[in-house]
Amino acid sequence: EVQLEQSGAEVKKPGESLKISCKGSGYSFSSYWIGWVRQMPGKGLEWMGIISPDDSDTRYSPSFQGQVTISADKSISTAYLQWSSLEASDTAMYYCARQAGAAAFDYWGQGTLVTVSS
Amino acid sequence: DIQMTQSPSSLSASVGDRVTITCRASQSISSYLNWYQQKPGKAPKLLIYVASSLQSGVPSRFSGSGSGTDFTLTISSLQPEDFATYYCQQSYSTPRTFGQGTKLEIK
Repeated sequence: EVQLEQSGAEVKKPGESLKISCKGSGYSFSSYWIGWVRQMPGKGLEWMGIISPDDSDTRYSPSFQGQVTISADKSISTAYLQWSSLEASDTAMYYCARQAGAAAFDYWGQGTLVTVSS
Repeated sequence: DIQMTQSPSSLSASVGDRVTITCRASQSISSYLNWYQQKPGKAPKLLIYVASSLQSGVPSRFSGSGSGTDFTLTISSLQPEDFATYYCQQSYSTPRTFGQGTKLEIK
């Protein structure tokens, strides 16, 4: 069974750094790109970027380029999303998802809620 | 970036109704259009990919059509579990943008 297990909820202060994770299981992790999607409270889905775990080729949305870093460690079947300096506006649910044929996201993690507040 | 515009933004319907949601791309995306369903507090779920292909396990009352810039998601006979928010997404180019969502509510 394909599963994407995300790390737990985080509460951080503005200016702090953070790295959240997404561990894949039940399939060949290196063979599928992993994407990250943001959902701010009460809002829609925003495509942040994708990474190929095989060679770490990464594509970012211009809206998120320079704001976050997407990485992956194929040896432990895990992708990451990180911030060097959080802002209150980063408060959101973050989902990872597996990109399948035709670039649709066919499996999703359960989401990681990030709250940034002083 | 390719802009995706869904209509309507919200919709009230009854169990058994036939419902259609539309999605328009700001430029041609061929058939690279996906539909997702999201229920409150849950991750999105893939329903339709490449405009009209039904994802495994999704009921056949869901169907998709279109190509180029105009696409539709149709639910042939609404069931209680279908009340949710629906998103389209283009997968023609990065960033693979989503529509703003259509909230389907019970009338």
